[in-house]
Amino acid sequence: KNEVEQSPQNLTAQEGEFITINCSYSVGISALHWLQQHPGGGIVSLFMLSSGKKKHGRLIATINIQEKHSSLHITASHPRDSAVYICAVLVTGGTSYGKLTFGQGTILTVHP
Amino acid sequence: SQTIHQWPATLVQPVGSPLSLECTVEGTSNPNLYWYRQAAGRGLQLLFYSVGIGQISSEVPQNLSASRPQDRQFILSSKKLLLSDSGFYLCAWSKIGSDRDFGPGTRLLVL
Repeated sequence: KNEVEQSPQNLTAQEGEFITINCSYSVGISALHWLQQHPGGGIVSLFMLSSGKKKHGRLIATINIQEKHSSLHITASHPRDSAVYICAVLVTGGTSYGKLTFGQGTILTVHP
Repeated sequence: SQTIHQWPATLVQPVGSPLSLECTVEGTSNPNLYWYRQAAGRGLQLLFYSVGIGQISSEVPQNLSASRPQDRQFILSSKKLLLSDSGFYLCAWSKIGSDRDFGPGTRLLVL
């Protein structure tokens, strides 16, 4: 079993729909990242969370440390949101070099 | 602000040829640097990380090596490429307590 599990693996939505992508992890973490990878391959960091909730535009990320679960929400989805969304955790303990453990990614396609 | 550069953007190389991918970071000092690989249809895999000049740690045994000759320069190399080295290579940097920034990536195709 992977230390970081995302669901769903594939998600198709119509423009305007509210989208939720989930991430569960089985290790102790100091932070969780949500990343966005567009078809060209480049990766952008959307959020880094250690508790609570963050909002940036139409994107909202939440984390529940006790339940070891995080969600990424997209409100009023748009075709330009189509991308792979990756959850990654910074595992506590060990060294301080900031090694990330990645989920397998969620492929989001938003149709007009 | 910090910026991370990678080159080349795309590379097609024959099996057995050498490889050198370069990553440079601007706007910060003494960052942690990382090389990741994403094989087709698979997730990101950490290949190497570095916490300082000349300090390289390898995560997985492989045909590749890394070097950090300067504080903000990270190089990924191979003496002889294999078909299985094909993939998308990403450089990233971080500092303790800060977010992670990824480079634009290099798409490598080994034929």
